[in-house]
Amino acid sequence: DVKVTQSSRYLVKRTGEKVFLECVQDMDHENMFWYRQDPGLGLRLIYFSYDVKMKEKGDIPEGYSVSREKKERFSLILESASTNQTSMYLCASSSGRRITYNSPLHFGNGTRLTVT
Amino acid sequence: DQQVKQNSPSLSVQEGRISILNCDYTNSMFDYFLWYKKYPAEGPTFLISISSIKDKNEDGRFTVFLNKSAKHLSLHIVPSQPGDSAVYFCAASGYTSGTYKYIFGTGTRLKVLA
Repeated sequence: DVKVTQSSRYLVKRTGEKVFLECVQDMDHENMFWYRQDPGLGLRLIYFSYDVKMKEKGDIPEGYSVSREKKERFSLILESASTNQTSMYLCASSSGRRITYNSPLHFGNGTRLTVT
Repeated sequence: DQQVKQNSPSLSVQEGRISILNCDYTNSMFDYFLWYKKYPAEGPTFLISISSIKDKNEDGRFTVFLNKSAKHLSLHIVPSQPGDSAVYFCAASGYTSGTYKYIFGTGTRLKVLA
């Protein structure tokens, strides 16, 4: 079974703090993704990566950055956390080359981040 | 602009009956479609998918139908069980906004009544 592990289930941070959300997958997948889930808005794509050291902006990248130094690890960084970044953050991975996304995403269990 | 839409935020169904969840999309470049189930405090779990070259895919109690001309897909669950109560997300993947992405709908909360 594919395993996507997010390092924290719950986090509480203060406004202005730098926050790191870590994600590791064990299936040698090329592609990794960060989404956030908010009520009524579904899952919105923040950033994704289709190769080590490669990254692309998703639909809502403002206020976030990412790092992919190793194939299995994809980190989401909130440079200066704000209250509107309180959300459920979901990491996912998938196999397949960039131009054929015909394979499912496998998600971690999520990190519930609260910024106060 | 919502490229993948789930217009029903919630649905209630009696145990044993059919549940039908609907999803519409706007981008004809999408070529792969997926359904996920999500319980509270857990990540979404992949249920079933369909490629744009097919119009139906079945896996046990779950069947996904794709109508490309209408840009519509649906998930049928037969028979529905109380354990199916969850939020269901549809997703589409393909070329959009200059790159390849997976785009999700806003979800439909299914409640199966015992």
